[in-house]
Amino acid sequence: QQQVKQSPQSLIVQKGGISIINCAYENTAFDYFPWYQQFPGKGPALLIAIRPDVSEKKEGRFTISFNKSAKQFSLHIMDSQPGDSATYFCAASRSVSYDKVIFGPGTSLSVIP
Amino acid sequence: NAGVMQNPRHLVRRRGQEARLRCSPMKGHSHVYWYRQLPEEGLKFMVYLQKENIIDESGMPKERFSAEFPKEGPSILRIQQVVRGDSAAYFCASSPPSSGGGEKLLFGSGTQLSVL
Repeated sequence: QQQVKQSPQSLIVQKGGISIINCAYENTAFDYFPWYQQFPGKGPALLIAIRPDVSEKKEGRFTISFNKSAKQFSLHIMDSQPGDSATYFCAASRSVSYDKVIFGPGTSLSVIP
Repeated sequence: NAGVMQNPRHLVRRRGQEARLRCSPMKGHSHVYWYRQLPEEGLKFMVYLQKENIIDESGMPKERFSAEFPKEGPSILRIQQVVRGDSAAYFCASSPPSSGGGEKLLFGSGTQLSVL
């Protein structure tokens, strides 16, 4: 019940295209859903996050769509650029003081010119 | 402010040796998390600590692994009698005392442990 599922495992998108990564969770107590971006040799960095009281959150070219009833959420990267090539992790946690963030297995995104 | 500092960046150990990984959280942060990342895999939670307290160690292997976050100094992840399967990237993350549920989690650059 603590698991966060993520797909696809890898994704190749042409420059200017839309990258879409999907995640699903089981634990209905989760109420904080961040996305992290990781470049090779670096630690993950918070990209964007959403809470279940909204269905969508947009920051620049990055949008999270959230479907509470289906327990699914997704990351959309509009106008994908080669610099977006990285590994993306969805995650989930409960916003209580003593809880950890559970990460999905990651999606390796390659944006080709 | 240098953020979350981990050292060493790379650590090579022979089987049976001990590995000590250090993490200094961002200034003002009092929560420390350790994660392990195996090649082609995601981040697996290991342990969550606050100063002088282990809050959640549900992801820690029962043997050979231990973690501490003393009142003074960095958090230490200690692996005794390392085996080849311990080879992985170990990431530390910290968050401020006001945050809950991993909000505002800031990661270090990790320690790559290689066991020969």
